[in-house]
Amino acid sequence: TVVTQEPSLSVSPGGTVTLTCALNSGSVSPDFYPSWYQQTPGQSPRTLIYNANNRFSGVPDRFSGSILGDKAALTITGAQADDQSDYYCVLYMGGGIPVFGGGTRLTVL
Amino acid sequence: EVPLVESGGDLIQPGGSLRLSCSVSGFSVSSNYMTWVRQTPGKGLEWVSVLYSGETILTADSVKGRFTVSRDSSKNILYLHMNSLRNEDTGIYFCARFFATTWGQGEYYFDYWGQGTQVTVSS
Repeated sequence: TVVTQEPSLSVSPGGTVTLTCALNSGSVSPDFYPSWYQQTPGQSPRTLIYNANNRFSGVPDRFSGSILGDKAALTITGAQADDQSDYYCVLYMGGGIPVFGGGTRLTVL
Repeated sequence: EVPLVESGGDLIQPGGSLRLSCSVSGFSVSSNYMTWVRQTPGKGLEWVSVLYSGETILTADSVKGRFTVSRDSSKNILYLHMNSLRNEDTGIYFCARFFATTWGQGEYYFDYWGQGTQVTVSS
């Protein structure tokens, strides 16, 4: 099982960017319970989105999750400088096994 | 209060063994999906192992046969036992709770993370 994300993306301050999460064996559906995490260098990951489109406690509403076509997606609307981070998606394969995507490095410039 | 605190990371020679600890507060290690996730240099996050539903233990293929996880329920501590360590095991090891429920539509995601502990395998 391979979960694929864009290696890098960039967005202008105030702009909108969508990160995606694909599955090599087929479409991503809500049955995989997609979740998203933000990690800045030297820090532990921070939970952003769970169950595809639910914001975790304390997460600003500029972060939103969805299923777009056959992929899970994380959209940042009105990007801010401190959104510059690595972002990871996780798909739940069942049986207690979560699979991480390779991560997307987001640059805000 | 930080719910998960890891310790035990160290510089260790290839072939050596190490035990990481994750001290948990605010919930029970015995009734949750408790996981270890690592981040190797220049790479992303990788799930390593999970302990749940009593004594069910699953490990990633990359560490199978070398790593295992256990817990001390009386102390509310999760452990990662690492044997036959290799250079490529170098990284930051995070303890995390994987919230899992079948209630309603079900929910499966990492909700609590520790700060991580550094493991360096080198001669």
